[in-house]
Amino acid sequence: VQLQESGPGLVKPSGTLSLTCSVSGGSISSPNWWSWVRQPPGKGLEWIGEIHHSGSTSYNPSLKSRVTISVDKTKNQFSLKLNSVTAADTALYYCVRDEDIWGQGTLVTVSS
Amino acid sequence: EILLTQSPATLSLSPGERVTLSCRASQSIGNFLAWYQQKPGQAPRLLFSDASNRATGIPARFSGSGSGTDFTLTISSLEPEDFAVYYCQQRSNRPPYTFGQGTKLEI
Repeated sequence: VQLQESGPGLVKPSGTLSLTCSVSGGSISSPNWWSWVRQPPGKGLEWIGEIHHSGSTSYNPSLKSRVTISVDKTKNQFSLKLNSVTAADTALYYCVRDEDIWGQGTLVTVSS
Repeated sequence: EILLTQSPATLSLSPGERVTLSCRASQSIGNFLAWYQQKPGQAPRLLFSDASNRATGIPARFSGSGSGTDFTLTISSLEPEDFAVYYCQQRSNRPPYTFGQGTKLEI
């Protein structure tokens, strides 16, 4: 199984960050948890949230009011939307399957 | 929210040495702890799940142990490729699934 993040690398302040994670070599419908983790430049890891193939979700309370994670079974993908972004949301964003499979990460910069 | 505290923040060691990294949880998490290794410019790599369950392809010089609130990652004899940042993450049934702040192993 391989994961690949995609989406805009630059988002304006107050805008919405939208990323997609494409799953290859496996099915998004398999009984796994699909999550997003981010890492600000030079800093540690932060768990954003996750979704189960059943549609059940769990979010970090610090971001819960701004974040949505969804699954598109027809495209074998899952997505992250984070609204009302600020410079503090600038980070490398990773998609992850359970604990063991990580995408390579995609850098998102919030700047005007 | 469960807090994870890793110690020390930085360790300066030499190849061949034995090292033990610590991760302490603010409340009991059973054995629901994962360890990761991250090298510059790379995604984290899973080393252990459930505290001591070695992931596929992880060398035997790595070992994980602990339960409850105290966990350790041990490298029995450091290889040059082991110098990296190590993170723990709690995976109890109480999200958010927080990470520790990391321990940097440097030569």
